Amino acid sequence: DQQVKQNSPSLSVQEGRISILNCDYTNSMFDYFLWYKKYPAEGPTFLISISSIKDKNEDGRFTVFLNKSAKHLSLHIVPSQPGDSAVYFCAADTGKLIFGQGTTLQVKP
Amino acid sequence: EPEVTQTPSHQVTQMGQEVILRCVPISNHLYFYWYRQILGQKVEFLVSFYNNEISEKSEIFDDQFSVERPDGSNFTLKIRSTKLEDSAMYFCASRGFRHLAGANVLTFGAGSRLTVL
Repeated sequence: DQQVKQNSPSLSVQEGRISILNCDYTNSMFDYFLWYKKYPAEGPTFLISISSIKDKNEDGRFTVFLNKSAKHLSLHIVPSQPGDSAVYFCAADTGKLIFGQGTTLQVKP
Repeated sequence: EPEVTQTPSHQVTQMGQEVILRCVPISNHLYFYWYRQILGQKVEFLVSFYNNEISEKSEIFDDQFSVERPDGSNFTLKIRSTKLEDSAMYFCASRGFRHLAGANVLTFGAGSRLTVL
């Protein structure tokens, strides 16, 4: 039952370039989507969210795009920094959070 | 910044033993959760808790699992008779009231790693 899928287990980008992390979902009734970042030995920390009635939400270097017809969302990080290296989870909000498998981002100096 | 604290950070136990994982949620939060992450897999929902009762639980949360808020500050997850497949990182999370137009933003603890031998 994979309602939220992150098909890329890993991504490597150069410092200063754009990182694009993708996420697909199956249930069109989800109200909100969230992105969390996780460093080793720490819990997931909230990054940014988007309502299902919007197609874009921006917070500093982080922008989330939502394409409802494709049931797809993406997180853009511009410019990428080495400190952004972490595992990124997208999650759908159903009252509880349903997480994807995560994508490990490595930003190379 | 307020944080969710979890103890122990790592526990090793023998199969069949009981384990209690402890969490101190953020003080003014009223909704509490347990999630787990088996190594290399996704973060999975176990149970949510509000107003001193379970509000939702997953298929994983069978009779071997229980949760309790014994004293108004701690939130515990008990596994009665551990199995090898219970080995995972267990995350506690909490949140306050949801804003009228906002997502359920959960604050997670750093996790308790459980190793069942």
